[in-house]
Amino acid sequence: EADIYQTPRYLVIGTGKKITLECSQTMGHDKMYWYQQDPGMELHLIHYSYGVNSTEKGDLSSESTVSRIRTEHFPLTLESARPSHTSQYLCASSERPVGGYTFGSGTRLTVV
Amino acid sequence: GNSVTQMEGPVTLSEEAFLTINCTYTATGYPSLFWYVQYPGEGLQLLLKATKADDKGSNKGFEATYRKETTSFHLEKGSVQVSDSAVYFCALTWGGSEKLVFGKGTKLTVNP
Repeated sequence: EADIYQTPRYLVIGTGKKITLECSQTMGHDKMYWYQQDPGMELHLIHYSYGVNSTEKGDLSSESTVSRIRTEHFPLTLESARPSHTSQYLCASSERPVGGYTFGSGTRLTVV
Repeated sequence: GNSVTQMEGPVTLSEEAFLTINCTYTATGYPSLFWYVQYPGEGLQLLLKATKADDKGSNKGFEATYRKETTSFHLEKGSVQVSDSAVYFCALTWGGSEKLVFGKGTKLTVNP
């Protein structure tokens, strides 16, 4: 049973729309991460957080933004979606990275 | 910097064949090493891990041994099944880091 939940699983949206991808975890983990996964499978870290009110940009520049107002919640927002944002977005959390990450099932976003 | 290199795929095998997916790493100090698996349409799941040299991680018939002398963590399974078809990611983290570094992924297809 998943302890980290992403909604929606699939989203098709028009260009210019604002969208928020939801990510919630019930494990009380301080550290949370957003990855963008391209069709070639490679994972790109776009945002991470070490705790409430902490957010950092990842290795891949992204036009999305994140917030961390509650420990369990780490939503990702795109103010104006474009076709180049079409991708799979994966959320993860960890207590300590040496223990590994727990991943959500992902949101597959298509911008038309 | 710290990095992971894993063999490029795709890898196609027949059922009951022996599997090896190579993974080598570059890291300072003593990293912890992981294998993750991503089934179609899903997020990543931790498959196995090893935290120190000569440790062997194992799960679901898969094994990998942390070899510091060759900086490797190759994934092996003696007899693959169709249900093992997935993408496999090698990853590492190190003391003081808050993040995992992932390889680019290797897609495995097992045919009946």
